[in-house]
Amino acid sequence: AQSVTQPDIHITVSEGASLELRCNYSYGATPYLFWYVQSPGQGLQLLLKYFSGDTLVQGIKGFEAEFKRSQSSFNLRKPSVHWSDAAEYFCAVGAGGGTASKLTFGTGTRLQVTL
Amino acid sequence: NAGVMQNPRHLVRRRGQEARLRCSPMKGHSHVYWYRQLPEEGLKFMVYLQKENIIDESGMPKERFSAEFPKEGPSILRIQQVVRGDSAAYFCASSPPAGFNTGELFFGEGSRLTVL
Repeated sequence: AQSVTQPDIHITVSEGASLELRCNYSYGATPYLFWYVQSPGQGLQLLLKYFSGDTLVQGIKGFEAEFKRSQSSFNLRKPSVHWSDAAEYFCAVGAGGGTASKLTFGTGTRLQVTL
Repeated sequence: NAGVMQNPRHLVRRRGQEARLRCSPMKGHSHVYWYRQLPEEGLKFMVYLQKENIIDESGMPKERFSAEFPKEGPSILRIQQVVRGDSAAYFCASSPPAGFNTGELFFGEGSRLTVL
């Protein structure tokens, strides 16, 4: 069974500082990996996804993530955080395209940005 | 192109009443998923449906919960005899048919159920 671990429940960074959110997954085959962001009271918005190919993927809002198979990780990064990035971030793993995909989510990391 | 539409956005019920949550998938999408988010927790998979078929209900509680996705109309998640522990945000997501699927899910804004 697939699973996702986000070890950091809550992270606080200063505006302008760099950010890295950790995500480790467990999956028997090549995973499809996702990062979603959720603002308070809202739904989930896709930030970026990895299916295959280049292990460094670029997403919206200046985010990027790197797939490291040897470490079973898919960490999310941003060079300079903006106050509007404060939200909850979820990493997810899925079985892949071509067929419908049931995603398994991590428990989330809440990001707080100080001015 | 409208996204995934969920209603109601907020629903208040007393213990023992029924809750019905509706979800219209994105245009062209034929797969619907329901997830539940308890306070301070991540999203937990409940059920995956295609038109007129339940494909995977491994995350659904055995009692009081049911889901359907009829040939016409929205998908409905039904909770009978609600209890306080059912208070949560219920998210619907959709994806395209097999062969067009990129693996990602498109989420609605959720329905927040409060049980008094």
